[in-house]
Amino acid sequence: DAGVTQSPTHLIKTRGQQVTLRCSPKSGHDTVSWYQQALGQGPQFIFQYYEEEERQRGNFPDRFSGHQFPNYSSELNVNALLLGDSALYLCASSSPDTQYFGPGTRLTVL
Amino acid sequence: DQQVKQNSPSLSVQEGRISILNCDYTNSMFDYFLWYKKYPAEGPTFLISISSIKDKNEDGRFTVFLNKSAKHLSLHIVPSQPGDSAVYFCAASTLISNFGNEKLTFGTGTRLTIIP
Repeated sequence: DAGVTQSPTHLIKTRGQQVTLRCSPKSGHDTVSWYQQALGQGPQFIFQYYEEEERQRGNFPDRFSGHQFPNYSSELNVNALLLGDSALYLCASSSPDTQYFGPGTRLTVL
Repeated sequence: DQQVKQNSPSLSVQEGRISILNCDYTNSMFDYFLWYKKYPAEGPTFLISISSIKDKNEDGRFTVFLNKSAKHLSLHIVPSQPGDSAVYFCAASTLISNFGNEKLTFGTGTRLTIIP
């Protein structure tokens, strides 16, 4: 059984560009959450998707948006990239009693 | 405002001894706490959790203690093994319904190094 998968592994963009990150949840999980982990910090909650709707959102600007597909996979989109968006982006899918994380996508903004 | 704090960025422990990692929180609405372990190039892996109705939870070598009045929790690893070397994150949540629906608030992590 595959766990949570994310693509791509690494990504380099320049300021002002747009980026799309992808996540496939663990089999049987219908809830996907996205977190941003800056260097030396803990993961910070961006938003959560359930039944193709954004259910909760953290303290992130509207430049961060997402989508969930009928097969429960999800995308995270970031527009107008800033240098400060450089981070590890983690996807987590949920069972009733825990959250399983993917390996993350390392985004570097130059 | 850092609602979950891990004040020790790093900790070194001799193999076989006890490792104690500490975590403090400020939000009294938190009632479910977790510890995650993270290796480089991997996502955080769930270790152990505790609900606010308990003060201790054990799973093999790992024990988590919760002191609600002090808003403090700790993770004990006994005995420590070289494979335990990783970054450990404390996380907290409010448990409104089933946990999988709740967002996690993480601390900044403690890098644990086990010395052979």
